[in-house]
Amino acid sequence: SQQGEEDPQALSIQEGENATMNCSYKTSINNLQWYRQNSGRGLVHLILIRSNEREKHSGRLRVTLDTSKKSSSLLITASRAADTASYFCATGDRGSTLGRLYFGRGTQLTVWP
Amino acid sequence: GAVVSQHPSWVICKSGTSVKIECRSLDFQATTMFWYRQFPKQSLMLMATSNEGSKATYEQGVEKDKFLINHASLTLSTLTVTSAHPEDSSFYICSARFRETQYFGPGTRLLVL
Repeated sequence: SQQGEEDPQALSIQEGENATMNCSYKTSINNLQWYRQNSGRGLVHLILIRSNEREKHSGRLRVTLDTSKKSSSLLITASRAADTASYFCATGDRGSTLGRLYFGRGTQLTVWP
Repeated sequence: GAVVSQHPSWVICKSGTSVKIECRSLDFQATTMFWYRQFPKQSLMLMATSNEGSKATYEQGVEKDKFLINHASLTLSTLTVTSAHPEDSSFYICSARFRETQYFGPGTRLLVL
């Protein structure tokens, strides 16, 4: 399967703490994307990191990519209760012109006030 | 920018009926749209890739005759669940590709009684 796998499956922290989620994948990729999903809602795109990039920042988000280990991490700094959601990584098929994405099972993040 | 809408947001139907779900890209044109299915607390499963003006590409194990996809214009793709049964009950999400990123609709919750 090409899909990524997030770790941990569930993460529970206090407001103000940092949250780190990891993603591993199996095949060569063009890029890796992180999405967020609030319960019962659609997905919101957070950040895209290309295969030739190692680190990317967006606000309180920091994403790293290690293609040699086929892994990525998402760090949310100074977490807030509103960050409570499921976070998914998705890999784009290298060599595919269709642009399909394959999703992992997600990490359920709970941030307590 | 890059907003995707879905309609309806939820639908309840009787077993044996057909249900149509619409996916629209509101502020951009999308030659490629994607349909996903998601079970509670699980990942998104890619069902098919919808290509404007041509036949959809289905993922392995997805029944073409069961899940009819029509991508009639650059801003609209439809998924019709034909002769729906209780096991088709799920959360269906579409996405539209804009540059390297997929933007997701809010999802449609289908309940088949």
